[in-house]
Amino acid sequence: GQQVMQIPQYQHVQEGEDFTTYCNSSTTLSNIQWYKQRPGGHPVFLIQLVKSGEVKKQKRLTFQFGEAKKNSSLHITATQTTDVGTYFCAGPPVGGANSKLTFGKGITLSVRP
Amino acid sequence: NAGVTQTPKFQVLKTGQSMTLQCAQDMNHEYMSWYRQDPGMGLRLIHYSVGAGITDQGEVPNGYNVSRSTTEDFPLRLLSAAPSQTSVYFCASSYTADGYTEAFFGQGTRLTVV
Repeated sequence: GQQVMQIPQYQHVQEGEDFTTYCNSSTTLSNIQWYKQRPGGHPVFLIQLVKSGEVKKQKRLTFQFGEAKKNSSLHITATQTTDVGTYFCAGPPVGGANSKLTFGKGITLSVRP
Repeated sequence: NAGVTQTPKFQVLKTGQSMTLQCAQDMNHEYMSWYRQDPGMGLRLIHYSVGAGITDQGEVPNGYNVSRSTTEDFPLRLLSAAPSQTSVYFCASSYTADGYTEAFFGQGTRLTVV
């Protein structure tokens, strides 16, 4: 079945440092979505990328969808303590139902003030 | 606008007991899903629905049943609880419009099976 991989699972950064994480799917994705989960909370939608090579920015966060639509990256510029949480990527396979999302295991980001 | 509402928030069951986790959404979304979240395992899809009357299995469906009699409700039933079903359960609803999709998650149900 489809697998979505996020490695590593944990990363610790000093406040102000940049941070980049990657997401790789075993199959071509229809689209890729990123979610953020704060400790003790529920996943919250951040963004969706649909087109091959697409890049979207949200303030200090930059998201990119790979040319082959099998990988994605999230880059955070000048991390802040408010960036703490677990970031998940997820996507349906091409032709799959949009509700059939396969999530990666997530990367938990901690930020040292 | 309540979004996605899950009840209960916490539950302790004895092995072998059955129970239903409730999920309701008031956004008229077609799609609804159930996930379980275990430490280091991310979110794993249990069952999903693409509309009222239509359900399908996800990655880890064994031991769980679902039904979707209305657009708003998508209950998850544990038939005979086992300690391996101790987890945090999230319900989500989503819509798709012009290629755009976004999932909204409930607050979660923390289930412990002893």
